[in-house]
Amino acid sequence: DAGVTQSPTHLIKTRGQQVTLRCSPKSGHDTVSWYQQALGQGPQFIFQYYEEEERQRGNFPDRFSGHQFPNYSSELNVNALLLGDSALYLCASSLASAGNGYTFGSGTRLTVV
Amino acid sequence: DAKTTQPTSMDCAEGRAANLPCNHSTISGNEYVYWYRQIHSQGPQYIIHGLKNNETNEMASLIITEDRKSSTLILPHATLRDTAVYYCIVSYNSGYSTLTFGKGTMLLVSP
Repeated sequence: DAGVTQSPTHLIKTRGQQVTLRCSPKSGHDTVSWYQQALGQGPQFIFQYYEEEERQRGNFPDRFSGHQFPNYSSELNVNALLLGDSALYLCASSLASAGNGYTFGSGTRLTVV
Repeated sequence: DAKTTQPTSMDCAEGRAANLPCNHSTISGNEYVYWYRQIHSQGPQYIIHGLKNNETNEMASLIITEDRKSSTLILPHATLRDTAVYYCIVSYNSGYSTLTFGKGTMLLVSP
């Protein structure tokens, strides 16, 4: 049973560039949430997608955007990268009709130089 | 801000029970207590959740006080692989409720 798959696992970008991170949810899940985790901190909620629409959003600027595809996979896009965007980006999937907790991927480590 | 308070760190000897406390004095009637853990360089892993009754699964037990203002996660026989950051989170029991993480408790299990 495949869990949540994220790609790439690591990447390095230059300040001002744009980046796209990808997530495939656990089989049977229909909701995808994205979190940012800075070093030494707990994950912070970015946004959540359900039925291909952004359902909820945390306190993140418009530079952060996303998309969900008909197969429930999702992308996180960050424009005009800042040094402070360096973090572990986590994708979590769930089933909207259930409450059995989220399944997280191992994350993408983004370094902005 | 996180709605829970946890100790920053705890130590436990291998083979002993690890009891991780959490305070959530502002929890509302419909909110559940969730526990996740994060082993270094991995994503958080769901452990257990409960509303007001004590819960047990293959990983851990969750004890919630009668007034629901605090809870304790119990790992009955801690192993070195249980070394991780443990997060106590209050959330609604829905697949689209968001999780608000605090800094969690760093549990170090030693030989």
